Amino acid sequence: GNSVTQMEGPVTLSEEAFLTINCTYTATGYPSLFWYVQYPGEGLQLLLKATKADDKGSNKGFEATYRKETTSFHLEKGSVQVSDSAVYFCALSDALTGGGNKLTFGTGTQLKVEL
Amino acid sequence: NAGVTQTPKFQVLKTGQSMTLQCAQDMNHNSMYWYRQDPGMGLRLIYYSASEGTTDKGEVPNGYNVSRLNKREFSLRLESAAPSQTSVYFCASSAVFGQGAIGNTIYFGEGSWLTVV
Repeated sequence: GNSVTQMEGPVTLSEEAFLTINCTYTATGYPSLFWYVQYPGEGLQLLLKATKADDKGSNKGFEATYRKETTSFHLEKGSVQVSDSAVYFCALSDALTGGGNKLTFGTGTQLKVEL
Repeated sequence: NAGVTQTPKFQVLKTGQSMTLQCAQDMNHNSMYWYRQDPGMGLRLIYYSASEGTTDKGEVPNGYNVSRLNKREFSLRLESAAPSQTSVYFCASSAVFGQGAIGNTIYFGEGSWLTVV
């Protein structure tokens, strides 16, 4: 079945450091790929997505490129801020029988940014 | 714009008690979902409703039932709660039905923290 593997955390960085969170996937067909972010005590918010190979999703300074040849969708940000501290989930989307789409999530990577 | 609203936010149950988590979305979405989040396991799909009038099992349906009351509302019921159902529950919704659905964003509620003692 489909699966998503992302690097374990917590990842601790100083403010303005460069961030990479690795994500690789296993899937049949051509899934869409997503990064969601969860701030403490809140639900998941879509951060960015890419729906086909070589697409780059970007939002709030974060970027990720859909690499089919390496089955990866690594999340990057050039300069993190304390406000970026959260848990980041990589996910792939698959069609469900009867309609709709199912997200398969990685286990999440906690990011802590310190001053 | 409220998006996806779920209640209650926090609940403590005794083993064997029943309860219903309520969810409503105001985005006119066709598909709705219930996920649970457990430490170190990401989110897993419990049940989903691709469209009004249909419901189907996800990865971890045992111990749960659902009702798609209308297009807006999708409830999750625990008939006899067990400690293994202690978790954070998220309701979610997405727009498109059928072909092309996989690229659509799924929108999540803020979560319901359930503890079964």
